[in-house]
Amino acid sequence: GAVVSQHPSRVICKSGTSVKIECRSLDFQATTMFWYRQFPKQSLMLMATSNEGSKATYEQGVEKDKFLINHASLTLSTLTVTSAHPEDSSFYICSARRAALSYEQYFGPGTRLTVT
Amino acid sequence: EDKVVQSPLSLVVHEGDTVTLNCSYEVTNFRSLLWYKQEKKAPTFLFMLTSSGIEKKSGRLSSILDKKELFSILNITATQTGDSAVYLCARDFGNEKLTFGTGTRLTIIP
Repeated sequence: GAVVSQHPSRVICKSGTSVKIECRSLDFQATTMFWYRQFPKQSLMLMATSNEGSKATYEQGVEKDKFLINHASLTLSTLTVTSAHPEDSSFYICSARRAALSYEQYFGPGTRLTVT
Repeated sequence: EDKVVQSPLSLVVHEGDTVTLNCSYEVTNFRSLLWYKQEKKAPTFLFMLTSSGIEKKSGRLSSILDKKELFSILNITATQTGDSAVYLCARDFGNEKLTFGTGTRLTIIP
């Protein structure tokens, strides 16, 4: 199979602090990883596309200085939410693309971030 | 505008019923349309549709794409409580990005 893990699964932090979320492809190399955000009862919204060894491409309206993405290896991408605010509280999901066909996106289990 | 709209937003049926979920989109030039099932965590892949009029089946689930009328449907027959989930469709333009629909929350009552 193609397994993608995320860590942590759940995190609570105080307003103003930074939180790092890891996304790992466990049994395949992912040239591209995607970060999504999902608010309660809403659909997944793509935040950014992360390519190994290059800068992430952010979607319109997503602040790149607030949501720092690093894709240092073919199996690991990290999303750091800097100076978190309560409105950043959300479910963050990553996906990894294994092959040229984009339908082969395998989703991680998600990280529930709560900012108090 | 690049929109993917699903209907209904929510649906409650009894176990054993058949349901049809709809996904409509506005832009014609895309590579494929995908369906996902999302329970408590991340979405799991169900179907990828690229050609109009060709039904894909997996057990009690089936899906078809109509490129002329710009919609897709997902059918679930003989529903079970385990089918309760949010069903998402997503459009793939072939540029790696998926645009997700609004989702349909399906609840199956025993």
